[in-house]
Amino acid sequence: SSELTQDPAVSVALGQTVRITCQGDSLRSYYASWYQQKPGQAPVLVIYGKNNRPSGIPDRFSGSSSGNTTSLTITGAQAEDEADYYCNSRDSSGNHLVFGGGTKLTVL
Amino acid sequence: QVTLKESGPVLVKPTETLTLTCTVSGFSLSNARMGVSWIRQPPGKALEWLAHIFSNDEKSYSTSLKSRLTISKDTSKSQVVLTMTNMDPVDTATYYCAHLSLAYCGGDCWAFDYWGQGTLVTVSS
Repeated sequence: SSELTQDPAVSVALGQTVRITCQGDSLRSYYASWYQQKPGQAPVLVIYGKNNRPSGIPDRFSGSSSGNTTSLTITGAQAEDEADYYCNSRDSSGNHLVFGGGTKLTVL
Repeated sequence: QVTLKESGPVLVKPTETLTLTCTVSGFSLSNARMGVSWIRQPPGKALEWLAHIFSNDEKSYSTSLKSRLTISKDTSKSQVVLTMTNMDPVDTATYYCAHLSLAYCGGDCWAFDYWGQGTLVTVSS
């Protein structure tokens, strides 16, 4: 399968913890990466692999995976975390890449 | 400092061919364990991976768009070019190029660690 499925929208109270999930058969074989996109801006890599953050990404962002599901967790969500989040991975063939449909995170 | 910058027409007519250029700096297109991808995003919609090209010139295309896409690179000019034939209004989108690193996690993780600013292409007569 070449699909990655995400919940369209998630909300979290300021300072609370939120988990954004991504499901797909290919995730049993390949790691995912996660991107944050704010309106009018290019996506930014926030998590890659099992749980790796690029330099400059706050440590409140973390990743995990189990079976066909990979998750992005924000512990202590901040107002500036309100954005669209996309997962990305290789498809089952390993030769193509695919994005999830995106999750709009609202921080209340 | 790694940068990528997309360039190309802002407006194309239906049935025309779109040619986009990604000019990169801060790295060489001959570097190992990396590639450059094209990704698009229709207004208000999700990201869609289109194609990538690796330093060894290996290429891969979205299955649904493969017949319309061609990706190539000119290492001496630090440019990656994407052509898309037979443009349609549904192809209206912001087109991004991105640096795809294959070096993370000992090679097990692929990630787009640098992105261009994107260029909006509108398809209309």
